[in-house]
Amino acid sequence: EPEVTQTPSHQVTQMGQEVILRCVPISNHLYFYWYRQILGQKVEFLVSFYNNEISEKSEIFDDQFSVERPDGSNFTLKIRSTKLEDSAMYFCASSETPPRGINTEAFFGQGTRLTVV
Amino acid sequence: QQQVKQSPQSLIVQKGGISIINCAYENTAFDYFPWYQQFPGKGPALLIAIRPDVSEKKEGRFTISFNKSAKQFSLHIMDSQPGDSATYFCAPLTSADRGSTLGRLYFGRGTQLTVWP
Repeated sequence: EPEVTQTPSHQVTQMGQEVILRCVPISNHLYFYWYRQILGQKVEFLVSFYNNEISEKSEIFDDQFSVERPDGSNFTLKIRSTKLEDSAMYFCASSETPPRGINTEAFFGQGTRLTVV
Repeated sequence: QQQVKQSPQSLIVQKGGISIINCAYENTAFDYFPWYQQFPGKGPALLIAIRPDVSEKKEGRFTISFNKSAKQFSLHIMDSQPGDSATYFCAPLTSADRGSTLGRLYFGRGTQLTVWP
């Protein structure tokens, strides 16, 4: 069964450092998303990406965040200067194109736990 | 703006019992109503979903009941099993053909279900 793969599974970084979280979406999917889940809290939308550009971003996704699909298979989330409050589980998701509402399903990766110290 | 309210926050059920989780939403543009299941250390995975043109959908032991006028939908787990112990999220969305934001999910806060053997 195809799956979304995320690496690394856990990353520890010092405050102020840049981190790149990597995702390999399901191969025939064209819609990509990043969500995050702070421990014990709800899953929050960060950004959606389609056709090599951002479709929507939330208020969380400020100038410190960026996304890229560098090589047609990977989908990355970069945080330029991490803050303590960026510590969370980050989930990548992808969905089949186009999401016309018929059995639309977002497939989630297993997540990357980011710890900022 | 909290568009989705989910309750209860936690639920403990005896094996064989019925688990009921509720979700209320505000955005009338939502037209697809999924429930996601998340096990510890894993990403959310689609469990069951309903379109607003039906009031109920059943898949095995899992049933969604949908009340459009009340803007509520609920997940019922019949004959609950210890293997059902997980966190459940309602996560409605507006599909792309409604001019939406390409399948962004609006997650509830989650319900941690524990089924005792």
